[in-house]
Amino acid sequence: GENVEQHPSTLSVQEGDSAVIKCTYSDSASNYFPWYKQELGKGPQLIIDIRSNVGEKKDQRIAVTLNKTAKHFSLHITETQPEDSAVYFCAASSADSNYQLIWGAGTKLIIKP
Amino acid sequence: DGGITQSPKYLFRKEGQNVTLSCEQNLNHDAMYWYRQDPGQGLRLIYYSQIVNDFQKGDIAEGYSVSREKKESFPLTVTSAQKNPTAFYLCASSTPRATNTGELFFGEGSRLTVL
Repeated sequence: GENVEQHPSTLSVQEGDSAVIKCTYSDSASNYFPWYKQELGKGPQLIIDIRSNVGEKKDQRIAVTLNKTAKHFSLHITETQPEDSAVYFCAASSADSNYQLIWGAGTKLIIKP
Repeated sequence: DGGITQSPKYLFRKEGQNVTLSCEQNLNHDAMYWYRQDPGQGLRLIYYSQIVNDFQKGDIAEGYSVSREKKESFPLTVTSAQKNPTAFYLCASSTPRATNTGELFFGEGSRLTVL
C-alpha cells in the first residue's frame, strides 16, 4: 500500500524567510496530493493541493511542486509570518487506496520573530 | 454557519468503560470520517461512511464502532476493547471521494484520556 514520508518533523525559520517541507510517496498510481495546516487545538484545514497532471501550483505565498519521476512533492512558504506557525501535513491518494488519503507524520513549523 | 461540530472537546474515561464521541455536520456532505491523531504520527483512518446506513473499516478499526443513521451524524464509540484509546480524535466530512477530489472539512477534535 501507499506510504508517505514527511521531513523535517520540526522546522524553525526566521520571520520573513522561506520554509520548505518535503514529502515522498511510494505508490506511483497516486495522483492527488493535498497539504493541510493544523493550528493548535483545531482540526486540519486544506491550504493547497496538486494533481499529477500539474508540476507546480501557487497561491499567494504558498506553492506546491510535484516530481512524479522521483515521487516527491514539496510545500514552499515564502515571506513567512507568525500566523504560519502550525503543523503541516501532506497526503496522497489514488484509486488503489480507494481514494482514501494516506498522511505524512506532520511538520511543526515555528516562525521566530 | 456551516461546519462540523464535535463533542465533547475533552473527555476522561476509566479503563473498561465505553465512551461515545459525537460528530454532527450541516454541510450536506454524504461522506464522513473518523481519524485518530497521535503525537508524531499522521492521521490514521478509523472508519468512514460514504452514505447513510453504510460504513467501512479504516486502517485501525479494532476496538471502535460507528453508526450512520442520519446524514448529519456519525458518532464514534471507543470500546473497552481498544487497548490504547488515549488520543486526539478528529471527525471530517467531504463530498463522496469517488473521484478523489473534494476537500476534507474537519471538526475541532475530541481529546480522550483514559485514567
